[in-house]
Amino acid sequence: QSALTQPASVSGSPGQSITISCTGTSSDVGHYVSWYQQHPGKAPKLMINDVSNRPSGVSNRFSGSKSGNTASLTISGLQAEDEADYYCSSYTSSGTLIFGTGTQVTVL
Amino acid sequence: EVQLVESGGDLVKPGGSLRLSCAASGFTFNHAWMSWVRQAPGQGLEWVGRIKSRGSGGATDYAAPVKGRFTISRDDSKNTLYLQMNSLETDDTAVYYCTWMTTMTTFGFWGQGTMVTVSS
Repeated sequence: QSALTQPASVSGSPGQSITISCTGTSSDVGHYVSWYQQHPGKAPKLMINDVSNRPSGVSNRFSGSKSGNTASLTISGLQAEDEADYYCSSYTSSGTLIFGTGTQVTVL
Repeated sequence: EVQLVESGGDLVKPGGSLRLSCAASGFTFNHAWMSWVRQAPGQGLEWVGRIKSRGSGGATDYAAPVKGRFTISRDDSKNTLYLQMNSLETDDTAVYYCTWMTTMTTFGFWGQGTMVTVSS
């Protein structure tokens, strides 16, 4: 598989919650899913690792989960600064790493 | 403070070669697993390859599109990561990011990126 599948875009109003999905196969979406936020022209930033672990300094409005072969990133209390592209990544059974197709989040 | 500073990006003709460097500071580089990730203009992120720490064997792994053409190496005495790119193709045009893998599977910190353009 060349990339994990994410929706191209997700939108929400300020204060709402949104969820971004990341779907793969049993060979790639396991215990090692991470999520990255990328603002235009900037480098990506780690938001979640190991499915649901939030690194120090990341807002608790961001949370991660997984069910079967689909991982999810939820942003609660949506804010204007959350408008960005989001990518999932995972470790595959062949020992390589793979990213999702990316999701553009728009705050209405 | 963790810093990763890439350099070496340039305009190169198809079939040419280029070497990127990444100067690391703010963490124990010789214990770190490092990766290169690229992003073509207007496209998503693509993992290029990874090098383990010398203590973990120093092995490298590569994504299929670059295997046999790209080589990742490191100089722990200089806290520097390298990406040697040979037989460059137009599809290699991208911003190349150096990343510190804070776990085996997590791109914990990223550099600002360096642009590589492959065009005749």
